[in-house]
Amino acid sequence: AQSVAQPEDQVNVAEGNPLTVKCTYSVSGNPYLFWYVQYPNRGLQFLLKYITGDNLVKGSYGFEAEFNKSQTSFHLKKPSALVSDSALYFCAVRARNYGGATNKLIFGTGTLLAIQP
Amino acid sequence: EPEVTQTPSHQVTQMGQEVILRCVPISNHLYFYWYRQILGQKVEFLVSFYNNEISEKSEIFDDQFSVERPDGSNFTLKIRSTKLEDSAMYFCASSYRGFLGMNTEAFFGQGTRLTVV
Repeated sequence: AQSVAQPEDQVNVAEGNPLTVKCTYSVSGNPYLFWYVQYPNRGLQFLLKYITGDNLVKGSYGFEAEFNKSQTSFHLKKPSALVSDSALYFCAVRARNYGGATNKLIFGTGTLLAIQP
Repeated sequence: EPEVTQTPSHQVTQMGQEVILRCVPISNHLYFYWYRQILGQKVEFLVSFYNNEISEKSEIFDDQFSVERPDGSNFTLKIRSTKLEDSAMYFCASSYRGFLGMNTEAFFGQGTRLTVV
């Protein structure tokens, strides 16, 4: 079955420290992977995506993510966390069927990132 | 910056009543989506819409649900006879392209919280 796992419900990081939010996926073929962030009372904001090419992709607000095919992972990272990064982060993969990729996104359960000042 | 807007932000309805959730996608986008998130659960795909017809739908999207693009700007989700289990946050999204190539990322609205009592 196609799925996305975010093993941590919450990640706590001190401001200024590096952060990592973990994501693993299960989908056949080449994955299209995405990270979204949700601030309180706001919609899902697109952060970054991996489609093909360089395994390290850079996105908004200084975030980056590393695609690792052998580990089927797409962890979100930032070298130096800010208090304003505190939010709910969702990893997603584009579903596939026999015809290839589809328009449907499969989301993980979300990880609450809490940055302590 | 262009954004997807949804109205209302919160809707309370009695069980068995019809509700219409409204969305204005980003103006040059061609693909439109509805997702929902039951409290504490994953964001789930409901339906995608392109060229004035449904291109894909999930098993959740049964005969009680329908979508429409009544004019050049709005995209609506109708639930014909609401049930208690329809209570959720409903997200509208749009993308310029579908699943191939660039510019396929979906941009989400802030959501409509539907409460069925």
